Amino acid sequence: NAGVTQTPKFQVLKTGQSMTLQCAQDMNHNSMYWYRQDPGMGLRLIYYSASEGTTDKGEVPNGYNVSRLNKREFSLRLESAAPSQTSVYFCASSPRVYSNNSPLHFGNGTRLTVT
Amino acid sequence: DQQVKQNSPSLSVQEGRISILNCDYTNSMFDYFLWYKKYPAEGPTFLISISSIKDKNEDGRFTVFLNKSAKHLSLHIVPSQPGDSAVYFCAASRSNFGNEKLTFGTGTRLTIIP
Repeated sequence: NAGVTQTPKFQVLKTGQSMTLQCAQDMNHNSMYWYRQDPGMGLRLIYYSASEGTTDKGEVPNGYNVSRLNKREFSLRLESAAPSQTSVYFCASSPRVYSNNSPLHFGNGTRLTVT
Repeated sequence: DQQVKQNSPSLSVQEGRISILNCDYTNSMFDYFLWYKKYPAEGPTFLISISSIKDKNEDGRFTVFLNKSAKHLSLHIVPSQPGDSAVYFCAASRSNFGNEKLTFGTGTRLTIIP
């Protein structure tokens, strides 16, 4: 039982390059999320998907796009990477989103550096 | 504007003693609070939560206390063990919302000294 799997673990991009971060969960959760973690700041929500076929913006969506490919997979795309997008990205899932009592299950993160 | 604050970036505690991690919040609408624990190179994992209708919730060695009037919560770990060395994040949300409005603190790195 892998839980939430993110690929790649590390990535270095040049400014302007594009890439897609992949995330898959095997817990049959309805809701999936993308967060970024920066030094001195808490985890901040980029986008989330309440259920298959829906996506919504979080706190910091600018510069990103997402795709909920199916119930298991939720990808995050950077179309034109900028140095400000250097961060650690976490994917998470939960049984449902619109509930307090539905703790998040996180992947192990992708460390992205944009030069 | 940091609505959830963890003012101690780090804390060192002797093994076997009590660890107390603190968290303050400014938004009086927050009424559900969680603690997540994170090891290096791993994602955070859920530890314990508390609703504002309670002032204490206990799970084994972990107890969370909520002081609504002071807008303050704390996580107590008794006794502290080496495996508790990690970064602890406090998070808060509001009624009628869920994870889409979850606000995280900046984390406190706990080191347990053997």
